[in-house]
Amino acid sequence: EVQLVQSGAEVKKPGESLKISCKVSGYSFTSYWIAWVRQMPGKGLEWMGIIFPDDSDTRYSPSFQGQVTISVDKSASIAYLQWSGLKASDTAMYYCARRKIGYCDSDNCYQFPFDFWGQGTLVTVSS
Amino acid sequence: DIQMTQSPSSLSASVGDRVTITCRASQGIDFYVAWYQQKPGRPPKLLISAASTLQSGVPLRFSGSGFGTDFTLTISSLQPEDVATYYCQKYNSAPLTFGGGTKVEIK
Repeated sequence: EVQLVQSGAEVKKPGESLKISCKVSGYSFTSYWIAWVRQMPGKGLEWMGIIFPDDSDTRYSPSFQGQVTISVDKSASIAYLQWSGLKASDTAMYYCARRKIGYCDSDNCYQFPFDFWGQGTLVTVSS
Repeated sequence: DIQMTQSPSSLSASVGDRVTITCRASQGIDFYVAWYQQKPGRPPKLLISAASTLQSGVPLRFSGSGFGTDFTLTISSLQPEDVATYYCQKYNSAPLTFGGGTKVEIK
């Protein structure tokens, strides 16, 4: 059974650092991308970035480039999202999600959406 | 970057009604649109990929259509358990942008 299990809720102060995690099981960690998605209170979904665990190839949304760091621990099948200096505006629910790697055959190329999601990690930043 | 504009932002319909949600891409993205359903307090769930491919286990009252820039999610007969917010997403290439969401309620 495919599972993405995220770390628990966090309460932090502005300026503090934080690293949240997404531990996967039930499939080959290095064969699928892992994405991070933010959802601010009462708002929609925002794609933050994505990493391919096999080689740590990482892409960031322009909105989040330089604001967060995405990484993995291949040996433990865990993906991470971290901040070096939190702001109150980072208060949100954060989801990890899995994405199958794209491929091309002789006729077409294929890409895939996010098929499995973690349960979410609520991050609250308040003084 | 390509923007995804979803409409309406909310709707209220009666049980049994046909409901249609639209998503417009600012540039052509072939069929690379997914639709997700998010119920309160839950993570999103993938309903449809490749604009019209229903995921396993998703009720047949859900359907998707479109190509290029204009896409549609249809619920043929709205049920109480369909109360949720629905999001489209482009996934042809990064950034993997979501639409703003459509909140569906029962009248």
